[in-house]
Amino acid sequence: QQQVKQSPQSLIVQKGGISIINCAYENTAFDYFPWYQQFPGKGPALLIAIRPDVSEKKEGRFTISFNKSAKQFSLHIMDSQPGDSATYFCAASMHTGAGSYQLTFGKGTKLSVIP
Amino acid sequence: NAGVMQNPRHLVRRRGQEARLRCSPMKGHSHVYWYRQLPEEGLKFMVYLQKENIIDESGMPKERFSAEFPKEGPSILRIQQVVRGDSAAYFCASSRGQRSPNQPQHFGDGTRLSIL
Repeated sequence: QQQVKQSPQSLIVQKGGISIINCAYENTAFDYFPWYQQFPGKGPALLIAIRPDVSEKKEGRFTISFNKSAKQFSLHIMDSQPGDSATYFCAASMHTGAGSYQLTFGKGTKLSVIP
Repeated sequence: NAGVMQNPRHLVRRRGQEARLRCSPMKGHSHVYWYRQLPEEGLKFMVYLQKENIIDESGMPKERFSAEFPKEGPSILRIQQVVRGDSAAYFCASSRGQRSPNQPQHFGDGTRLSIL
């Protein structure tokens, strides 16, 4: 079973703090790891993504750290803001035998940033 | 807005009826994915289509569910004889191509299907 395990399920962070969300995967055939942000009533929006040949990628306040040997990757949100309050999903994709790059999602982390 | 368009946003059906969900991909995108999201869960892959072709339907239930992406018009996800367990949010995503895993998938805002 191809799985991506995400933790924590929910997270409360003070404004200005660092939010950290962790994911772990099992299948070493995964070769693309995006993070999505979802607001209530909306679809997931691509936030940032990384390939396994890179250990870190930073875009603004968002950083992905990737540990290939441990099969783990994490999202760090620096200087967290109330507007960052949303559900965050990690995902992984690989080319399947059926010819697609379907995404396998974690179960999500509900982030609340309090003033 | 040139994003992925899904309609209807909300759909209510009685058990046994048919549900039709439509998805128009982003401009310039010819690849469509359908995902299902249950409450408090991540999205689960259902099917991947290109124009007039189903490429990967490994996530589709074997019965009652079908999908198409005709040469003209939106992609359609059809659920026949709906049951209460079909209640979920259904999301469509599109991408430009499939030559590498880096082609990001862009999601619509989903159709919330409720079965009475």
